[in-house]
Amino acid sequence: GENVEQHPSTLSVQEGDSAVIKCTYSDSASNYFPWYKQELGKRPQLIIDIRSNVGEKKDQRIAVTLNKTAKHFSLHITETQPEDSAVYFCAAAGSFGAGTRLTVKP
Amino acid sequence: ETGVTQTPRHLVMGMTNKKSLKCEQHLGHNAMYWYKQSAKKPLELMFVYNFKEQTENNSVPSRFSPECPNSSHLFLHLHTLQPEDSALYLCASSQDIRGSHTGELFFGEGSRLTVL
Repeated sequence: GENVEQHPSTLSVQEGDSAVIKCTYSDSASNYFPWYKQELGKRPQLIIDIRSNVGEKKDQRIAVTLNKTAKHFSLHITETQPEDSAVYFCAAAGSFGAGTRLTVKP
Repeated sequence: ETGVTQTPRHLVMGMTNKKSLKCEQHLGHNAMYWYKQSAKKPLELMFVYNFKEQTENNSVPSRFSPECPNSSHLFLHLHTLQPEDSALYLCASSQDIRGSHTGELFFGEGSRLTVL
């Protein structure tokens, strides 16, 4: 099956700074790469996704980039806010990364 | 409200008990999933159903028995569990029109299971 690795496991930034989370995957046939945000005690929810036919996608302060050759994709959050604090998961072919706990300090 | 509801939200059971977790989706999706979320592990995919047929079983022990009577309902039957099975069990659904794992997952709130 697919093997997804995610880094870093924890990330602390100052409000207003940018945050970047990276994931690698193993199966070159994977073609859908979502990112989920899970706030404490809540269910994971999709924040952005990308399909293999594009290299980048943006939605306001959030962007995802995909490098199919290198088999990695990244989540970029700009102008971070305290409400961005949560655990973020990447996924590919149903397999999830271990998660990144993002803390945004006011 | 995401349209995926799970019951019960919390369950405590002994190792010899038999219990079931229930999931229902009101989104008209074709695929349903069970995931296990433990404190120090990634979300682990357990089972996948597509149009009520099981399409994936990720080497899950037989003490976990899924059932999908129709595209809207999914059960996880539990028997003779171990303490290490204590975790949050998340149900999800998706509309995988382009093949497996190609659509957004809509998760339920989860069932927090404690095995004593």
